[in-house]
This record gives sequence, C-alpha cells and structure tokens, in this order.
Amino acid sequence: DTGVSQDPRHKITKRGQNVTFRCDPISEHNRLYWYRQTLGQGPEFLTYFQNEAQLEKSRLLSDRFSAERPKGSFSTLEIQRTEQGDSAMYLCASSLDAGGNIQYFGAGTRLSVL
Amino acid sequence: AQKITQTQPGMFVQEKEAVTLDCTYDTSDQSYGLFWYKQPSSGEMIFLIYQGSYDEQNATEGRYSLNFQKARKSANLVISASQLGDSAMYFCAMREGYNQGGKLIFGQGTELSVKP
Repeated sequence: DTGVSQDPRHKITKRGQNVTFRCDPISEHNRLYWYRQTLGQGPEFLTYFQNEAQLEKSRLLSDRFSAERPKGSFSTLEIQRTEQGDSAMYLCASSLDAGGNIQYFGAGTRLSVL
Repeated sequence: AQKITQTQPGMFVQEKEAVTLDCTYDTSDQSYGLFWYKQPSSGEMIFLIYQGSYDEQNATEGRYSLNFQKARKSANLVISASQLGDSAMYFCAMREGYNQGGKLIFGQGTELSVKP
C-alpha cells in the first residue's frame, strides 16, 4: 500500500485568497481526518469523515473552512479568504475500522499566508 | 474533557541508552486508545505504538514499549538502545473509544535529542 498522500506540500498565498488542499488516503481506509499544526504545538483536530459522511467538525473549523470527501476516497480542504492566522501545517490521516483504528498521517501541506 | 500532558519539553539521551518519555492523560471514559507518534524535522507524523484501555499487556513494537499504568493514567514511551535517528519530536495522543474511529487529542510534545 502506498501511504497517505497530500498535495501540495507547500503553498504560499496572499491574504484574502482561497486555497484548496487534497488528501489521498491509504486505499480501503474508510476514515479520513484533517488536523492543523502550528509551530511548537501538537496537531489539533479539524474534521473527519467516515466514507463520504462528515461525522465531526471542530469549533476551530470556522465558516471559511470547508472539507469534502465526495466519493469516499480522496478529500479536499478549502480555506476561503485566507488570513495570516491560517498559516500552519495541515495534516491528513486515514484509518481502517480494525486493529485499533490507527491513524496514519501524510507528510502535510505547509501553508504560508503573506 | 480529554487532555494529554507531556511535561518534558526537551530530553537528551546518549546513543545506545534507554530513555523514557512521559505522558499522562485525563478522561472520564473507560474505553480509549493511547498512541505515540514521532515527528522528525521533515514534518511527517510517524505512528510508533498503540495501547487500548482494555489491553492487559503493555504494547511493544521493536525498540518501543509503552508503559501503561491505568490507575495513574500514564502511558510513558520507552525507547531502548537509542539511535541518532531517534532525534525528533514525540507526541502522545488519545482517542475516545476502544477500537473505533474518532479524533486524536495530542499533547504538546517532547523533543528528544540523541547524543553520539
């Protein structure tokens, strides 16, 4: 199996622009998670999907954030009208409903908002 | 509310020695999972080891073992025979539910430096 894949690895954008990130989970993993990590902190949960259903969203996920997983495979995370405070590493993980439901992470997308 | 506490911001260990990274957790649930991840400077979170709250034996994975003390709500990671490549950030995390999906709550992390 290939691991979790995230694209792009780095994104630099100007304040006010929209950005979209993509995550491809490990094949056959039915659960997909998004986290955000700022410098010196542990990752913070944003949202997660079981197949195509979005089961939980954090209060961190403001109205400017939206996530989709339309066919239960890859997922996208969109941030509209980016702000400097959105600068962070965005991590995606996937898991399978077996063996502890261990989450395996991708390499992340580092967003810099200028 | 769930909480993970890692009280050691940084740790040093001599190559080939063992090191223990501390983790305490707080939850009112009986069913939960505990995880350790390694994050090198490249940024990727690498899964190391998992312990379910009902597992009676401490989890082991190669040089990694999890010292699970349920009554004390601690889940310390022990790395034996440290290697230079073990230098990284280490995060303890918890998930509600024994064997089901759900968000991970992470601690602040411990930065481990292995000295030659």
